[in-house]
Amino acid sequence: AQKITQTQPGMFVQEKEAVTLDCTYDTSDPSYGLFWYKQPSSGEMIFLIYQGSYDQQNATEGRYSLNFQKARKSANLVISASQLGDSAMYFCAMTLYSSASKIIFGSGTRLSIRP
Amino acid sequence: DAGVIQSPRHEVTEMGQEVTLRCKPISGHNSLFWYRQTMMRGLELLIYFNNNVPIDDSGMPEDRFSAKMPNASFSTLKIQPSEPRDSAVYFCASSFLEGQQPQHFGDGTRLSIL
Repeated sequence: AQKITQTQPGMFVQEKEAVTLDCTYDTSDPSYGLFWYKQPSSGEMIFLIYQGSYDQQNATEGRYSLNFQKARKSANLVISASQLGDSAMYFCAMTLYSSASKIIFGSGTRLSIRP
Repeated sequence: DAGVIQSPRHEVTEMGQEVTLRCKPISGHNSLFWYRQTMMRGLELLIYFNNNVPIDDSGMPEDRFSAKMPNASFSTLKIQPSEPRDSAVYFCASSFLEGQQPQHFGDGTRLSIL
C-alpha cells in the first residue's frame, strides 16, 4: 500500500539555521511524484516544491531543496537560513502515475522558528 | 491568474441544516479534489474528479455527503443533514491530470455545525 510517513510531529529551530524535515514514502509504483506543502497558521495550503521519481537532480526552489534518496525512499525538505515566517505546518505528499492525480499526504510536521 | 476560489470562507449553521460548499478550480485544470481537515484526523481526501467525472469517492464519510461537478469550472460539496461532527475546514484543490502535477488549494471553508 502507498504511504507517506513524517516522523517529526514538531520541531523547534533557531532563526537563520538550516532545518531538515523528514519524509519517507512507500510505493511499488515506479512512476511517482513527491511534493511538499506549507500550511501557516492562517490555514491556506501552499505548494513549495516537487520531485519526480525519474528526476536525476534534487529539486530546488529558492531556500527550499528536496533531498531525494530513491533507494532509501526518502524525500526530506531542507530549508536554508530559516526565517520567522517559516513557522508553519509542513506536509509531505506523493502522487502515483497509476492513480490519475490522486495525492497521498503525510501527517505533517509543525515547525517553529525561534528568534 | 486566479487561484482556486472557494466560498463561503466561513459557515456557521445549526445541525440538521443543509450546507453547500462551492469551488471554482483554476482555469484549464482538469482534476478537482475535495478534502476535509480536522485536528483529530488530519487531511482527508473525500472525493476527486477527473474531467468532471467522479473517480474515487471512497473518502466520503456518509450518504449525507454528496459532491457534483456539473462543468469544468464549478463544483459543490453538500452535506444534508449536517451534524456537529462535520465541523472542519474543507479544502478544494485542482491540478492538471497529466503527469504528477501539484495540486493547488483554495483558502478553505471553515465549517462550524452547532
